Amino acid sequence: NAGVTQTPKFQVLKTGQSMTLQCAQDMNHNSMYWYRQDPGMGLRLIYYSASEGTTDKGEVPNGYNVSRLNKREFSLRLESAAPSQTSVYFCASSESLDTQYFGPGTRLTVL
Amino acid sequence: GQQLNQSPQSMFIQEGEDVSMNCTSSSIFNTWLWYKQDPGEGPVLLIALYKAGELTSNGRLTAQFGITRKDSFLNISASIPSDVGIYFCAGQLQETSGSRLTFGEGTQLTVNP
Repeated sequence: NAGVTQTPKFQVLKTGQSMTLQCAQDMNHNSMYWYRQDPGMGLRLIYYSASEGTTDKGEVPNGYNVSRLNKREFSLRLESAAPSQTSVYFCASSESLDTQYFGPGTRLTVL
Repeated sequence: GQQLNQSPQSMFIQEGEDVSMNCTSSSIFNTWLWYKQDPGEGPVLLIALYKAGELTSNGRLTAQFGITRKDSFLNISASIPSDVGIYFCAGQLQETSGSRLTFGEGTQLTVNP
């Protein structure tokens, strides 16, 4: 039982490049989330998926797209990366309306 | 924008001391959660609170859900070096649909041996 897994762990992009961050959970949770963490700003919600087949914008969705591929997987895509998207990205999942379980994070640098 | 105020932003303490941190909001929360994040890792849930006034312990950690439902505190007793990390409060706003959480900005804890 691995919980929430994320790939890659580290990534460096040039401005304008695209990439997809992958997230998978093996806890059979309905809800999944993508956050970004910047120094002094805590965790900010980018997008979430309350259940398979649905996605909704969070607090900071601009510049990102998501896909809930199936119940297990929720991917985050940067179509044209910008330096302002340099951050640590966390995926999380939850079954109930509160307790969320986080992955180990992806550290992204955009040059 | 940010609806949770977490304080203090950072703390530097000696091993063995007790620690207290809190979160406040102008909005009512249905649930309060406390997470700890170790360097290079994702946040890990420490304590979950579901009822106003609830006081819950997990080892040396104690957290309370404020009576007004607008605040919560976390206490750590007899701190040890492995308590080092960032502590986040999080809550589900009463008016938020679905299963979204709002996070505080975190308290960076340093414990000197």
